[in-house]
Amino acid sequence: SQKIEQNSEALNIQEGKTATLTCNYTNYSPAYLQWYRQDPGRGPVFLLLIRENEKEKRKERLKVTFDTTLKQSLFHITASQPADSATYLCALGRAGNMLTFGGGTRLMVKP
Amino acid sequence: DAGVIQSPRHEVTEMGQEVTLRCKPISGHDYLFWYRQTMMRGLELLIYFNNNVPIDDSGMPEDRFSAKMPNASFSTLKIQPSEPRDSAVYFCASTYPLGSLGTEAFFGQGTRLTVV
Repeated sequence: SQKIEQNSEALNIQEGKTATLTCNYTNYSPAYLQWYRQDPGRGPVFLLLIRENEKEKRKERLKVTFDTTLKQSLFHITASQPADSATYLCALGRAGNMLTFGGGTRLMVKP
Repeated sequence: DAGVIQSPRHEVTEMGQEVTLRCKPISGHDYLFWYRQTMMRGLELLIYFNNNVPIDDSGMPEDRFSAKMPNASFSTLKIQPSEPRDSAVYFCASTYPLGSLGTEAFFGQGTRLTVV
């Protein structure tokens, strides 16, 4: 069965550094991949979408890469800030808009 | 638009009782999803609808769970009878397919269900 893995351990980094989060998947061929941010007590909020024929996407301080050979996506936040502290979820999907989520990685940015 | 609206925000009920969770999707969105989130299992898709029709309910854990979407602006998720292991945060999300694969999902604030 399909499996989506994100590092379950929290990622602690210093303010100003680049945070890199990983999303690996197996037994799946997604048409697209999305990244969401979730704050405590709130629903996930969409950040970026990247399709299978795209290698990289950028949005302000965010960058996502998608390697369908390695079955991996990397999510980067440059010049991280304490306000970036949250849980980040990757989600994979195919036609029909059905999304399957990873378990999420908690990011803590320390001032 | 006020976004996806879920009610109630919190629900505490006794084991064996019926629980109904409600969702109002964003106007114009064709797809509606129900997810359940726990620490152990993360965010799991329970069921989703397209134009009010259930498309895939394979994630519904058992017959105690049922979902309906009587019209484009309202959906319910019902648990009868409820059990302590149903305790979780339940999210509703909606999307609008823009003619291509993959659009962002808009999530509600969730309903935190506690079954005692």
